[in-house]
Amino acid sequence: GAGVSQSPSNKVTEKGKDVELRCDPISGHTALYWYRQSLGQGLEFLIYFQGNSAPDKSGLPSDRFSAERTGGSVSTLTIQRTQQEDSAVYLCASSWAGRPGLARSSYEQYFGPGTRLTVT
Amino acid sequence: GDSVTQMEGPVTLSEEAFLTINCTYTATGYPSLFWYVQYPGEGLQLLLKATKADDKGSNKGFEATYRKETTSFHLEKGSVQVSDSAVYFCALREAAGNKLTFGGGTRVLVKP
Repeated sequence: GAGVSQSPSNKVTEKGKDVELRCDPISGHTALYWYRQSLGQGLEFLIYFQGNSAPDKSGLPSDRFSAERTGGSVSTLTIQRTQQEDSAVYLCASSWAGRPGLARSSYEQYFGPGTRLTVT
Repeated sequence: GDSVTQMEGPVTLSEEAFLTINCTYTATGYPSLFWYVQYPGEGLQLLLKATKADDKGSNKGFEATYRKETTSFHLEKGSVQVSDSAVYFCALREAAGNKLTFGGGTRVLVKP
């Protein structure tokens, strides 16, 4: 079946502009994650959505970053007033959150190809 | 907080050599442990995992054993191929959590 898809694959923007990054999770996956991969910080968690629960925003680096998930499926990560340090590859992942009694070890995260953001 | 430390690369090997990438972690409770691989130009893929102490994860000739006493999850492969050239990430997920905490990644280059 189709995997996690992200768009655009590459985005070049000028400092100070806003950008939107899109993630389409695997159909049926109720959990969705955003991570950032940068040279200086490695791979770091940004935000997590699970069904209708309040998202875990503990990894967002500043209030310029926000994300939403519409209809429990597609997610958009928005970065306002971009800075050069926002340049990174933004990865989205999704997983099945399972059902009562199912081992959590089954909740493998599947990653998309990423969006490479360059802020000039 | 949780953290994962893995050896820095790059690691350069000849084909058929033995590969070890060290990974140690700090976490509360009993996390699940993972190795992810990122081949050139591709996305992150799960390579193997272990969910409790003494479990051994294995895939594609790679193995790693969850060692609670040494808080380690070292990745090994007995005979590497050129196609194993990639960046390898060690990661953990807290027992009651969902997010992954990654190590810094180790680039491996296998030469023919």
